[in-house]
Amino acid sequence: DAGVIQSPRHEVTEMGQEVTLRCKPISGHNSLFWYRQTMMRGLELLIYFNNNVPIDDSGMPEDRFSAKMPNASFSTLKIQPSEPRDSAVYFCASSLSGRNTEAFFGQGTRLTVV
Amino acid sequence: AQKITQTQPGMFVQEKEAVTLDCTYDTSDPSYGLFWYKQPSSGEMIFLIYQGSYDQQNATEGRYSLNFQKARKSANLVISASQLGDSAMYFCAMRASNTGNQFYFGTGTSLTVIP
Repeated sequence: DAGVIQSPRHEVTEMGQEVTLRCKPISGHNSLFWYRQTMMRGLELLIYFNNNVPIDDSGMPEDRFSAKMPNASFSTLKIQPSEPRDSAVYFCASSLSGRNTEAFFGQGTRLTVV
Repeated sequence: AQKITQTQPGMFVQEKEAVTLDCTYDTSDPSYGLFWYKQPSSGEMIFLIYQGSYDQQNATEGRYSLNFQKARKSANLVISASQLGDSAMYFCAMRASNTGNQFYFGTGTSLTVIP
């Protein structure tokens, strides 16, 4: 398996534009996580899906952020409109469900909003 | 609520020496898993080691071992014979059944190995 695949790897956009980050989890994994990492706030869990259903989205900063998982092999995180404070590295991770299974992370998307 | 605490923002260790990175956790669930991840400067998150709450023995993976003290709710990572390539951020994480098996991460410890 190629691992968790995120695209794009880097994104530079202007304030106010819509940004869509994409994630392909490992085949067979039924849990998917979106994280945001910044120097100031560390690694924050944004949203957690299990079997394509959002279980916890309490970490989503505000209504500008939305996430979908239309099927087991694809998820998106959308920011509309984007703001400079959204600049961060966004990670997608997938795993099997169960407390004893590790999460596998994608390479991350480095988002810069200017 | 689940909580992971890493109290050491930065650590230094001499090459070839051992180092312990601290992690404490808080959960009311008797069934949970503890994980350590490494994040080098290149940015990827690398899984290192896992310890289950019911495991009787401390987990080991090569030069990594987990010092699991259940009563103290601590899960410290021990790296033996440090190498320059061990310089990275290290994150402790927990996954518990009573919270739908979410992953909770600590704030991380930055380890620098000195030649």
